[in-house]
Amino acid sequence: RKEVEQDPGPFNVPEGATVAFNCTYSNSASQSFFWYRQDCRKEPKLLMSVYSSGNEDGRFTAQLNRASQYISLLIRDSKLSDSATYLCVVNSLNNDMRFGAGTRLTVKP
Amino acid sequence: EAQVTQNPRYLITVTGKKLTVTCSQNMNHEYMSWYRQDPGLGLRQIYYSMNVEVTDKGDVPEGYKVSRKEKRNFPLILESPSPNQTSLYFCASSPLPVGELFFGEGSRLTVL
Repeated sequence: RKEVEQDPGPFNVPEGATVAFNCTYSNSASQSFFWYRQDCRKEPKLLMSVYSSGNEDGRFTAQLNRASQYISLLIRDSKLSDSATYLCVVNSLNNDMRFGAGTRLTVKP
Repeated sequence: EAQVTQNPRYLITVTGKKLTVTCSQNMNHEYMSWYRQDPGLGLRQIYYSMNVEVTDKGDVPEGYKVSRKEKRNFPLILESPSPNQTSLYFCASSPLPVGELFFGEGSRLTVL
């Protein structure tokens, strides 16, 4: 079993749609959680950190469920520019960052 | 400008010819790491370093070496490249404790 698992997609949604991604992790000692965005053939960039209480940044909402060991990312009012691969990243106590394989999103006109 | 710089960005080489991919960061970060990215597998960690002269193996260290003689530099060395090392490589850095990772633009390596 992979340490961090994501549905690879692809998710194909129309502009304006709401889309949600989930990510599960196996290490219960994991301490910090992140969503990164990666455009085709580019480097990953931090989209947002995920806090225990959940957090929102504009159209993006991230949530953490420690009991079930999953994190989620919700994108509202999807834009064409949201098309990318979204990577779930989990950090354990010893600074061991683990990446999911990514979920590909395509937003269509 | 705060950045992580990798070189070369693109390289085609042949089996067995030693090569080095350089990585340099100007943010005074303690933590640096190398990843390879392959289709369907996501980013897999090769080696990481918590500080100068401190390096540790990641998930896929076989066939690679690293060194951390200076805080800003973390080169990746392929002593005898093989075709299965054809991949997209990323270097990243972060302050400690590891939070946001800052990535270089990537190095696409092809081993024939």
